[in-house]
Amino acid sequence: RKEVEQDPGPFNVPEGATVAFNCTYSNSASQSFFWYRQDCRKEPKLLMSVYSSGNEDGRFTAQLNRASQYISLLIRDSKLSDSATYLCVVNPTGGSYIPTFGRGTSLIVHP
Amino acid sequence: ETGVTQSPTHLIKTRGQQVTLRCSSQSGHNTVSWYQQALGQGPQFIFQYYREEENGRGNFPPRFSGLQFPNYSSELNVNALELDDSALYLCASRGTANTGELFFGEGSRLTVL
Repeated sequence: RKEVEQDPGPFNVPEGATVAFNCTYSNSASQSFFWYRQDCRKEPKLLMSVYSSGNEDGRFTAQLNRASQYISLLIRDSKLSDSATYLCVVNPTGGSYIPTFGRGTSLIVHP
Repeated sequence: ETGVTQSPTHLIKTRGQQVTLRCSSQSGHNTVSWYQQALGQGPQFIFQYYREEENGRGNFPPRFSGLQFPNYSSELNVNALELDDSALYLCASRGTANTGELFFGEGSRLTVL
């Protein structure tokens, strides 16, 4: 089993749709979690951190379920500009802080 | 812009050759990590440097090596290139405040023929 698993998609949705991505992780001791966004042929950029209590940033909501070892990202009212790959990132406990990336989930928002 | 710059942006090599990729980290960031991203995959951790010392390494062979300089810039060296080394190589820097955010450069796209 991979350390961090994501459905690669692509998720093909119309503008205005709500779409959700899940990411599962294998290390139950993982400490912190993030979603990064990567546009085509560009570098990844932090979208949002994921907190145990869940967090929201505008149209984006991230949640963590430690018991089931998954994190989720919900995008409401999708825009064309949301088209990108969304990377799930999991950090181990303590130590030298070496994050593990999932392979990413591709989202295509069409008119 | 993240303030992290990488060079060269694109390069083509042949099997068996050696390559050096360079990265200048964001000002004030003393930790630099390198990732390999193959097409359709997520970034795979190669190694990390903190204050000129390697303090973490992923599952890559010894022909992948690196350096970090006193100004915290870094190099990734790959010897005896193989076709499967073709990928986007990303450098990321992180500051002393452990917010978890990685600041990536735009990457160096390596093609091995």
